[in-house]
Amino acid sequence: TQLLEQSPQFLSIQEGENLTVYCNSSSVFSSLQWYRQEPGEGPVLLVTVVTGGEVKKLKRLTFQFGDARKDSSLHITAAQPGDTGLYLCAGVGNNAGNMLTFGGGTRLMVKP
Amino acid sequence: SQTIHQWPATLVQPVGSPLSLECTVEGTSNPNLYWYRQAAGRGLQLLFYSVGIGQISSEVPQNLSASRPQDRQFILSSKKLLLSDSGFYLCAWSAGSGTEAFFGQGTRLTVV
Repeated sequence: TQLLEQSPQFLSIQEGENLTVYCNSSSVFSSLQWYRQEPGEGPVLLVTVVTGGEVKKLKRLTFQFGDARKDSSLHITAAQPGDTGLYLCAGVGNNAGNMLTFGGGTRLMVKP
Repeated sequence: SQTIHQWPATLVQPVGSPLSLECTVEGTSNPNLYWYRQAAGRGLQLLFYSVGIGQISSEVPQNLSASRPQDRQFILSSKKLLLSDSGFYLCAWSAGSGTEAFFGQGTRLTVV
């Protein structure tokens, strides 16, 4: 079973601060996805990273896939209250037919 | 465009009662379908997935079962609910294994 560990589990910061969320595993993934979930709703995909070392930017969000494709990070610059939510990473295994494996999530609260 | 519908949004059921949650997808054919359970503010645990009509794979042994009577219909059931079945249940679909997952709005189940 491939496991993904996210850290921190909870993060409460002031508007304007920067933050980084980590997603780590001992397993290699063919790709990794990041989702954001609002309370009472389903997760929504933010980005998919595929190549080791890949960096993708989505406005103030920067996603990086580790060189060995075992870990990933999400960095938010100048966080805003609208960034509040649960951030989930999900890895796709190397074998055909593998399902997504989700991390435990990072709950972010950005205070105005 | 593709849409996914999941109902009901909330459900309160007594211990020992049956359960039936329904999920339907529109705008796509032969999707992979998934049932996840999510503990409060945490990651997603895959319960069942299906790659075709009548094909169900279970990820964890439990008090629940799933069925796929039609291509775009996925049902989560239980004959007798336990207190531990309480949680947030999410249905999702994807075009293939490891591709982006699209989630329903979720069902908040409380077993009392």
